[in-house]
Amino acid sequence: DAGVIQSPRHEVTEMGQEVTLRCKPISGHNSLFWYRQTMMRGLELLIYFNNNVPIDDSGMPEDRFSAKMPNASFSTLKIQPSEPRDSAVYFCASRDEAEFHGELFFGEGSRLTVL
Amino acid sequence: GQQVMQIPQYQHVQEGEDFTTYCNSSTTLSNIQWYKQRPGGHPVFLIQLVKSGEVKKQKRLTFQFGEAKKNSSLHITATQTTDVGTYFCAGYPYNDYKLSFGAGTTVTVRA
Repeated sequence: DAGVIQSPRHEVTEMGQEVTLRCKPISGHNSLFWYRQTMMRGLELLIYFNNNVPIDDSGMPEDRFSAKMPNASFSTLKIQPSEPRDSAVYFCASRDEAEFHGELFFGEGSRLTVL
Repeated sequence: GQQVMQIPQYQHVQEGEDFTTYCNSSTTLSNIQWYKQRPGGHPVFLIQLVKSGEVKKQKRLTFQFGEAKKNSSLHITATQTTDVGTYFCAGYPYNDYKLSFGAGTTVTVRA
């Protein structure tokens, strides 16, 4: 299996621009998580999907952030408009719900820099 | 809410020495997991502990889960340069899907 695939790996954009990050979970995994990692705040859970349905988006910082999962093999995290404080590494992770409280498989991350 | 605290935040180790990183939860955990993130990389699962008092070993790494299932430790013996990275503990409270991550211990090794 190819693992969790994220794109782009690096994104540099200017303040005010829209940013879309993409994730393909491991096939057969029905839980998907978006995390944000910064030096100051560590790993923060942004949103959790189960069977393509958003279960908990309480970690989404504000209305500028939105996430979708139109099908079992694809999810997006969108920031519009982007701000410099959004600069971080964004990780997508998936989990097989058949493994109760199982491990998370992380993608390689998308490093976002907002100028 | 449930919190997972991890200490120390940084660990500078002489190659060949041992060190331990500690993890404490504010609530009882269903299980605890450990992940390693190499510099510039992504978190990678190392191990999961489920039973009270459980001890597991992976070569030079020894993982322990406390009797009360609220704390855990990772002990590395004879540290090598390949051990460089950030080690995260992460715990699942009972009946919760959220895996709460500690802040991590970032390990650097002096050759």
